[in-house]
Amino acid sequence: NAGVTQTPKFQVLKTGQSMTLQCAQDMNHEYMSWYRQDPGMGLRLIHYSVGAGITDQGEVPNGYNVSRSTTEDFPLRLLSAAPSQTSVYFCASSYSLASGTSTDTQYFGPGTRLTVL
Amino acid sequence: GDSVTQMEGPVTLSEEAFLTINCTYTATGYPSLFWYVQYPGEGLQLLLKATKADDKGSNKGFEATYRKETTSFHLEKGSVQVSDSAVYFCALSEDKLIFGTGTRLQVFP
Repeated sequence: NAGVTQTPKFQVLKTGQSMTLQCAQDMNHEYMSWYRQDPGMGLRLIHYSVGAGITDQGEVPNGYNVSRSTTEDFPLRLLSAAPSQTSVYFCASSYSLASGTSTDTQYFGPGTRLTVL
Repeated sequence: GDSVTQMEGPVTLSEEAFLTINCTYTATGYPSLFWYVQYPGEGLQLLLKATKADDKGSNKGFEATYRKETTSFHLEKGSVQVSDSAVYFCALSEDKLIFGTGTRLQVFP
């Protein structure tokens, strides 16, 4: 299994440009999510999905769109990049979110480092 | 809402020293608790977890006990190594995974 994969690894954008960060998993996980990591702030949830066709907002959703057309893929779209979106982005997946079970462990991709000039 | 508070770093130790990184949480229900580790330039990896009160999670010499009475999940290791240098995140999971801000550990020979 490849686990959770993310592309690209690094990206530089100019303000106003759009792009899509790709995320895929081959573990047949229902739950997928996107986080951004900023210094001193830990990881903050952007959007998440509990299954194909279902998405919801997290803590910091503004400026980002997601879709989940298949179980495997969960792309994150920046419609008009801003310098405040300079960050490291992580995708994660798990079987479920049922707390207190063995299936709620999330597996993370290697991250995408995005710089917006 | 749910939240996780962990001690600020960096924590600087000599090799073979004892490590404690404090973590406390606020939750309305009965979350699972996690410690994730992030090595330089990499994504997060699960270090250990506990799913109910009084459970002890352990891995690679690290351990943490789910203490409901003190709402804590402190990470400990008896003898750290240089290779343990990383950022450690405490997290809880109810309907979403919520992270603390992370604690950087630096271990010197």
